[in-house]
Amino acid sequence: GENVEQHPSTLSVQEGDSAVIKCTYSDSASNYFPWYKQELGKRPQLIIDIRSNVGEKKDQRIAVTLNKTAKHFSLHITETQPEDSAVYFCAAINSGGYQKVTFGTGTKLQVIP
Amino acid sequence: DAGVIQSPRHEVTEMGQEVTLRCKPISGHDYLFWYRQTMMRGLELLIYFNNNVPIDDSGMPEDRFSAKMPNASFSTLKIQPSEPRDSAVYFCAISSRGTEAFFGQGTRLTVV
Repeated sequence: GENVEQHPSTLSVQEGDSAVIKCTYSDSASNYFPWYKQELGKRPQLIIDIRSNVGEKKDQRIAVTLNKTAKHFSLHITETQPEDSAVYFCAAINSGGYQKVTFGTGTKLQVIP
Repeated sequence: DAGVIQSPRHEVTEMGQEVTLRCKPISGHDYLFWYRQTMMRGLELLIYFNNNVPIDDSGMPEDRFSAKMPNASFSTLKIQPSEPRDSAVYFCAISSRGTEAFFGQGTRLTVV
C-alpha cells in the first residue's frame, strides 16, 4: 500500500519568512496530492492540491510542487503570517483505483510575530 | 459545514461502555472514511467504504471496533467495550473519485 512520509514534524519561522514542508510517497500509481490545514480544535481543510499531470500550482501565498520521478511533493508558504500557524498534512491518492487517502504524519507550523 | 454532520461532538464515557459515533454525509459522494486522530499517532485511517461497501478495514485497531454504512446517508462507528486508550478525535470524511476528502467536524471521545 501507499506510504507517505512528511518532514519536518515541527517548523518555526519568523513572520514574513517562507516555510517549506516536504512529503514523499511510495506508490507510483498515486496521481492526486492534496494538502490540508488543521487549526487547533478544528477539522482538516483542503488548502491546495496538485495532480500528476502538472509540476507546480500556485494560489496566492501558497504553492505546491510535484516531482513524479523522485516521488516527492512540497508545500511552500511565502510571506508567512501568524494565522498560518496550524498543522499541515499532505496526502497521496490513487484515483484510478479505490480512492484510499493516505496522509502524512503532519507538520506543526508556528509563525512567530 | 453541512457536507458531513457528525454526532455527538463530544462524548465522555466510562471504560467498558459501548460508544456509537454517527456520521451523516451529503449525497453524491462515492467514498466514506473514518479516521482517528491522536497526538501520538496523528491521523489514522480506520476503515473506508465505497458505495456503502467496506473496502479496507485493516486500520481498525481491534475487534472492539466495528463500522457500518447501511445507506449512502448514514454511517456508524461503534466501540464496545471502550477503553481509555480509545480517547481521541474521530473524523468522518467523504469524497468522490478524483476529489479531495471533506471532513466532518469530528467527535472528541474521552473514555475515563
